[in-house]
Amino acid sequence: EDKVVQSPLSLVVHEGDTVTLNCSYEVTNFRSLLWYKQEKKAPTFLFMLTSSGIEKKSGRLSSILDKKELFSILNITATQTGDSAVYLCAVEDLAGNQFYFGTGTSLTVIP
Amino acid sequence: NAGVTQTPKFRILKIGQSMTLQCTQDMNHNYMYWYRQDPGMGLKLIYYSVGAGITDKGEVPNGYNVSRSTTEDFPLRLELAAPSQTSVYFCASSKGQGRTQPQHFGDGTRLSIL
Repeated sequence: EDKVVQSPLSLVVHEGDTVTLNCSYEVTNFRSLLWYKQEKKAPTFLFMLTSSGIEKKSGRLSSILDKKELFSILNITATQTGDSAVYLCAVEDLAGNQFYFGTGTSLTVIP
Repeated sequence: NAGVTQTPKFRILKIGQSMTLQCTQDMNHNYMYWYRQDPGMGLKLIYYSVGAGITDKGEVPNGYNVSRSTTEDFPLRLELAAPSQTSVYFCASSKGQGRTQPQHFGDGTRLSIL
C-alpha cells in the first residue's frame, strides 16, 4: 500500500529558530514530490521536486529530495510567526495520476 | 482572479440526505480532484478527472459520485449522507498535460452529518 509519512507531527519553536520537516514515502512509480503550506483554508503550493540532490529554494524555505532513500526535507530558517501552519507533503504516482498526502506537520512559531 | 471556487463553505446535513458540493475553476485546467481532510489526517483523494467526460476513483470513493460535463465544473455528489462523511472537502485543479503540475485548491467545504 502506498504511504507517505511526515515527521514530526507537530513542532513548537521560537521566532528565529531553524526547523527541518521530514517526509518519507513508499510509492510505486514515483513521479514527483510536492510540499504545500496550509494555514486556515486551502493548501498553497511551495515546491515540486523530481530529481535527487537538487535543492529548491524560496527565500527562507528550501527543500531537497533523496530518491534513493525515499525521503525529502523542508527547511525553514529564521522562522517567523507567519510560518505557523500545517506543512503537507504529497507524492505523485505516475501510473494513476494520483497524489498521496501525508498527515502533515503542524508548526507553531512563538514570538 | 477567482481560481478554484467551492460552494457552499459550510453545510449541515441529516443522515440519509443528499447534496452536491460544487466546484468550478476558471484556469482552463484539465485535471480536477476531490479530497477529504479529516482532523489530524492528510488529504485523501475521493475522485479525480483528467478531462471533460472522464472520471476515476481515488483512495476513498465509496459513498460519493462525480461528473465532469465541462472543463470548468466538477461537482461531488453525496447520495445518502452518513456520519462518517463529516469532513472538510477540498476541490483542486491542475494543468495536467502529461507532467506534474502543482494543484490549486479551493477554500474547502466544511460538511457535518448529524
